[in-house]
Amino acid sequence: QKEVEQDPGPLSVPEGAIVSLNCTYSNSAFQYFMWYRQYSRKGPELLMYTYSSGNKEDGRFTAQVDKSSKYISLFIRDSQPSDSATYLCAMRVSGGYQKVTFGIGTKLQVIP
Amino acid sequence: NAGVTQTPKFRVLKTGQSMTLLCAQDMNHEYMYWYRQDPGMGLRLIHYSVGEGTTAKGEVPDGYNVSRLKKQNFLLGLESAAPSQTSVYFCASSVQGVSTNEKLFFGSGTQLSVL
Repeated sequence: QKEVEQDPGPLSVPEGAIVSLNCTYSNSAFQYFMWYRQYSRKGPELLMYTYSSGNKEDGRFTAQVDKSSKYISLFIRDSQPSDSATYLCAMRVSGGYQKVTFGIGTKLQVIP
Repeated sequence: NAGVTQTPKFRVLKTGQSMTLLCAQDMNHEYMYWYRQDPGMGLRLIHYSVGEGTTAKGEVPDGYNVSRLKKQNFLLGLESAAPSQTSVYFCASSVQGVSTNEKLFFGSGTQLSVL
């Protein structure tokens, strides 16, 4: 069983829809949670970063962490065609700076 | 705004050949990393470096070697390429791990095919 599970999709939504992307994990020691966005033929770029449980909002993006359920989510409001990309969840334990565990990524397509 | 630059962008090798991938960063970052990305497997850490002259093994180090002779450069070597090393390789860098801002800066990747 992988430490981090993520549905690869693809997920297709119409422009303006609310998108929900999710990851589950098995390692209860994970403390830091991240979402990276990766456009085709490009490297990932950090989108959201949260520590422990709770919500974090940045513009149209909201990251949620539920440590009791070992479940993290990324919500995209008013989705745009420019949001079409692969979204990778990532997480690490406290102190394990070098070891970031990534999900396989969910491919999102926003249809105009 | 160069950030992290990887060369080459594409390469085709025959089994048994050797090659070196070059990563250069201009952000004065202490930490540098080499990842590989395969379908259904996600990003996996090959080797990393916490400073000039230091290297360490990551999750999948077998068949690879690295060197960090200069702070801004991190080289990944394949001594005898195998088809299992066909992958997209990403270099990344980050500031020294004092802050909780866990931002990895990635290059654009190298698509490597081993025939």
